[in-house]
Amino acid sequence: AQSVTQLGSHVSVSEGALVLLRCNYSSSVPPYLFWYVQYPNQGLQLLLKYTTGATLVKGINGFEAEFKKSETSFHLTKPSAHMSDAAEYFCAVSGLSYQLTFGKGTKLSVIP
Amino acid sequence: DAGVIQSPRHEVTEMGQEVTLRCKPISGHDYLFWYRQTMMRGLELLIYFNNNVPIDDSGMPEDRFSAKMPNASFSTLKIQPSEPRDSAVYFCASSHPAGPGGDTQYFGPGTRLTVL
Repeated sequence: AQSVTQLGSHVSVSEGALVLLRCNYSSSVPPYLFWYVQYPNQGLQLLLKYTTGATLVKGINGFEAEFKKSETSFHLTKPSAHMSDAAEYFCAVSGLSYQLTFGKGTKLSVIP
Repeated sequence: DAGVIQSPRHEVTEMGQEVTLRCKPISGHDYLFWYRQTMMRGLELLIYFNNNVPIDDSGMPEDRFSAKMPNASFSTLKIQPSEPRDSAVYFCASSHPAGPGGDTQYFGPGTRLTVL
């Protein structure tokens, strides 16, 4: 069984500030981890994913995430927030099956 | 590729009516997923197909919900009869796994269903 916990349903940052969105997972098998972004009235779009290999994963739009097995975490970061980053972000986990288990999502607001 | 296509984008219906949501996956993708998104429950997997065969429908909330995939390029999710608590955004996603796990799912734009 797998589960995902995203800490903070809403996060606000100033434009140019660091973005940090937290994700912790639970998995009985080595996990595959994902971050998706959802802009208003749109479907989900993949930001980045961890499968195997390097634990620091770089994605689109300057985002990156680090897989930390000891902490069961996969936090998403971006050094400098842009207004266009305002969206909802979902962390997800899968195991050997193709099912994704999503967290509840974190809505990011960027303050000018 | 046009991506995953869903129709209609918006549906407003009255309680008791039948609702049919449609999805066209990305060509060549052999997995298709139906999700429901609500404020209270977040994103829930309802059912998924592999090569047009339903693999896991344990997320389907009740017998009023049914899903079919008659061919590789078309799937439907039907609710009969519909109830106000079915109001949600329904997403279809497709993928083409290269190995066990770790594959990207590509999402459609969703259908926003409102049941009055």
